[in-house]
Amino acid sequence: EIVMTQSPATLSVSPGERATLSCRASQSVSSNLAWYQHKPGQAPRLLMFGASTRATGIPARFSGSGSGTDFTLTISSLQSEDFAVYYCQQYNNWPFLFGQGTKLEIK
Amino acid sequence: EVQLGESGGGLVQTGGSLRLSCAVSGFTFRSYDMNWVRQAPGKGLQWVSYISSSGNTIYYADSVKGRFTISRDNAKNSLYLQMNSLRVEDTAVYYCARIYYSGNDRPFDYWGQGTLVTVSP
Repeated sequence: EIVMTQSPATLSVSPGERATLSCRASQSVSSNLAWYQHKPGQAPRLLMFGASTRATGIPARFSGSGSGTDFTLTISSLQSEDFAVYYCQQYNNWPFLFGQGTKLEIK
Repeated sequence: EVQLGESGGGLVQTGGSLRLSCAVSGFTFRSYDMNWVRQAPGKGLQWVSYISSSGNTIYYADSVKGRFTISRDNAKNSLYLQMNSLRVEDTAVYYCARIYYSGNDRPFDYWGQGTLVTVSP
């Protein structure tokens, strides 16, 4: 199985600043990678797929990059509603495992 | 509007059973592959099981293989998870999630709000 590792575990950033989250796969997943945002008590929300394609309704301040084993999610100017836990997931091979998550908190 | 709603969670003792349901609306359920994903308290998302649109292909995480059974009823627009021999470590919020197919892409595009399963010692 492909293990997904996210870093850092917690990221403290001030509103208006840029946040950069990383995700690494234990073997190549091509561009078959998604990012999700998850807030307590809510359903997880698909942000990105194909490593760099924004899902429907996702603001342009979210961007994704990478292919193979190394991926990045960037939030260009943090809004209050962006503070949440973010997960990457590979869907290149079953099982479609998630990373352990990065908690984005207000600095 | 696409909607997914889980039910059937609750408190059960170790070794007990529960059956979760996920009722969907707003899309052609029989055309979509589905999943169960869970989140244990203080932990991250963990994929649990997958079922193809026809029900012919099924996968399970190793941690639930042999104890959980995924199924679906396309006539009732419903997904199920039969959970037997429950363990304390199965305590989690369980989500159903739809797979979106676009070329090679297969992200989970819609999720339910989740149902809490608590397994007591």
